[in-house]
Amino acid sequence: QVQLVQSGSELRKPGASVKVSCKASGYTFTNYAINWVRQAPGQGLEWMGWINTNTGNPTYAQGFAGRFVFSLDTSISTTYLQINGLKAEDTAVYYCATSKQPLGARNWFDPWGQGALVTVSS
Amino acid sequence: QSVLTQPPSVSAAPGQKVTISCSGSSSNIGNNYVSWYQQLPGTAPKLLIYDNNERPSGIPDRFSGSTSGTSATLGITGLQTGDEADYYCGTWDSSLSAGVFGGGTKLTVL
Repeated sequence: QVQLVQSGSELRKPGASVKVSCKASGYTFTNYAINWVRQAPGQGLEWMGWINTNTGNPTYAQGFAGRFVFSLDTSISTTYLQINGLKAEDTAVYYCATSKQPLGARNWFDPWGQGALVTVSS
Repeated sequence: QSVLTQPPSVSAAPGQKVTISCSGSSSNIGNNYVSWYQQLPGTAPKLLIYDNNERPSGIPDRFSGSTSGTSATLGITGLQTGDEADYYCGTWDSSLSAGVFGGGTKLTVL
């Protein structure tokens, strides 16, 4: 079945970096985009952007350009989210989710990975 | 502040019906398709409705979606205690060129 499996929880100090992975299975990896969605503790869902799995081209939502980097390794059907210069406010669960590509008017996210908790604390 | 506006909470008794609203604008709901997600406590979101009113395989017909102008509505009939969750609407915003979500609605089944 179509599935996204993410890497585990991470604890980092402020200023450090973290790399979260999202491995796809059950479908042709390059047929669908991978999106990243952030959920801060007790808060709602926030779309961070997406990566085109055909071209590797990332698109970042406002507020996520700069310290956030999307990348992929098509040979192992895996997408990565790297966050540099971590801040306390980056503490959140980060989800990956597939969608059609390119994104547009008819857009939905399914399935989702199980989420990866990133905690930033000194 | 979310681009799409949802009520923070709704509640109803088991067996009853509830609706959850999602208000947007012409740059999002007014001209793009809406999806709905259910997030049970401690789990990842799950797609409930796509293309405004379509249900993925495995989603019971107790769940329905509709749109009118710049608003969307999720309906749930025959409420069960297992439906207690947070519900989010989502769509594409053409002005922002971005995916957007509502702030989420917590459903309590009394």
